[in-house]
Amino acid sequence: DTGVSQDPRHKITKRGQNVTFRCDPISEHNRLYWYRQTLGQGPEFLTYFQNEAQLEKSRLLSDRFSAERPKGSFSTLEIQRTEQGDSAMYLCASSSQLAGDGEQFFGPGTRLTVL
Amino acid sequence: SQKIEQNSEALNIQEGKTATLTCNYTNYSPAYLQWYRQDPGRGPVFLLLIRENEKEKRKERLKVTFDTTLKQSLFHITASQPADSATYLCALEDDKLIFGTGTRLQVFP
Repeated sequence: DTGVSQDPRHKITKRGQNVTFRCDPISEHNRLYWYRQTLGQGPEFLTYFQNEAQLEKSRLLSDRFSAERPKGSFSTLEIQRTEQGDSAMYLCASSSQLAGDGEQFFGPGTRLTVL
Repeated sequence: SQKIEQNSEALNIQEGKTATLTCNYTNYSPAYLQWYRQDPGRGPVFLLLIRENEKEKRKERLKVTFDTTLKQSLFHITASQPADSATYLCALEDDKLIFGTGTRLQVFP
């Protein structure tokens, strides 16, 4: 296992379309996080899972956003009816609740452009 | 609301010098604080974690201090190299990470 992977790396879509991103965490990690990052800003928390349970969602996350982690392994983030303001880098991270220093391991991100 | 501030202006220093980056926070009492490095177009990479009962932590050329009274962390890179050029993010942990805006460091020869 070489780290967190995300697919696709880039996505260009038209306003109003739905998009779905996938994240594959490090296999032994039970926690998975989604963040969004815009230019010049730090990553902003969206939601996180412990195993298959979604434990927290940001209040900034509109109803158009939904995330799943059906078997406690990979996760998907779906954005419905995309808006231009959704354009950002979407980052996934994973961590082990029991091991290490609490660091999170980030994937390369999915860059979304909404036209 | 919780707020984390890092110098938004880029820090430019000469190779070999020590770079010092600042992270200040308000309305929060974190158990620990983390520092990450981010290169353009890539995800952040974990560097160091410091706990509230630790004043200082070192890893190779990196040193982090944590002052819970001042609500401030300082991140030092000694003997800086051009390869250290990147954006450095501090983050407080509350299960998820709450990031600052990051400070861009440019080390020139």
